Amino acid sequence: ILNVEQSPQSLHVQEGDSTNFTCSFPSSNFYALHWYRWETAKSPEALFVMTLNGDEKKKGRISATLNTKEGYSYLYIKGSQPEDSATYLCAPLYNQGGKLIFGQGTELSVKP
Amino acid sequence: DTAVSQTPKYLVTQMGNDKSIKCEQNLGHDTMYWYKQDSKKFLKIMFSYNNKELIINETVPNRFSPKSPDKAHLNLHINSLELGDSAVYFCASSHRGSSPLHFGNGTRLTVT
Repeated sequence: ILNVEQSPQSLHVQEGDSTNFTCSFPSSNFYALHWYRWETAKSPEALFVMTLNGDEKKKGRISATLNTKEGYSYLYIKGSQPEDSATYLCAPLYNQGGKLIFGQGTELSVKP
Repeated sequence: DTAVSQTPKYLVTQMGNDKSIKCEQNLGHDTMYWYKQDSKKFLKIMFSYNNKELIINETVPNRFSPKSPDKAHLNLHINSLELGDSAVYFCASSHRGSSPLHFGNGTRLTVT
């Protein structure tokens, strides 16, 4: 059973704070890592798909890095806004066309 | 012009009944999925079809049967519903490989 761990489980920050979360995953046979943003009462939306060791991707105030050798990825949010409040999911993929293994997510709450 | 649409959004039914959830995507993707959000809010893969061919079939009761009449549709039929089947079921689609998943809005199934 592949274990994908995300930490922290939940995070409460003030508007304007910068924050980061961690996704840890087994590195053997790694193929790609997905990050999703899941707002309450909506469906998950893709943020990034990363494949190469050292990859860094950015979308507005959100960025992510990937270390495939040690099996972790960081997601950073700069200057958090209330609209960033959501659960952030990571999901590694272990072979092309295989199944994504979702972590339990980090629930972010940003207070104005 | 919803990309991935699933119906119904809510389904309340009694134990022992048979029900279906429908999913359609208009993104031209070749792969479709059914995920179940369990009680701990994990997203767990149930099935995946690529070009109407079953490629992932997780350990789910055989009361659950997916059907893909064409690439754009993947329906989920559930026989003899049980209380433990109550959950939110998400349909998703993607291009096969490491492309991101596009999720439907989920179907909340409640079995009484």
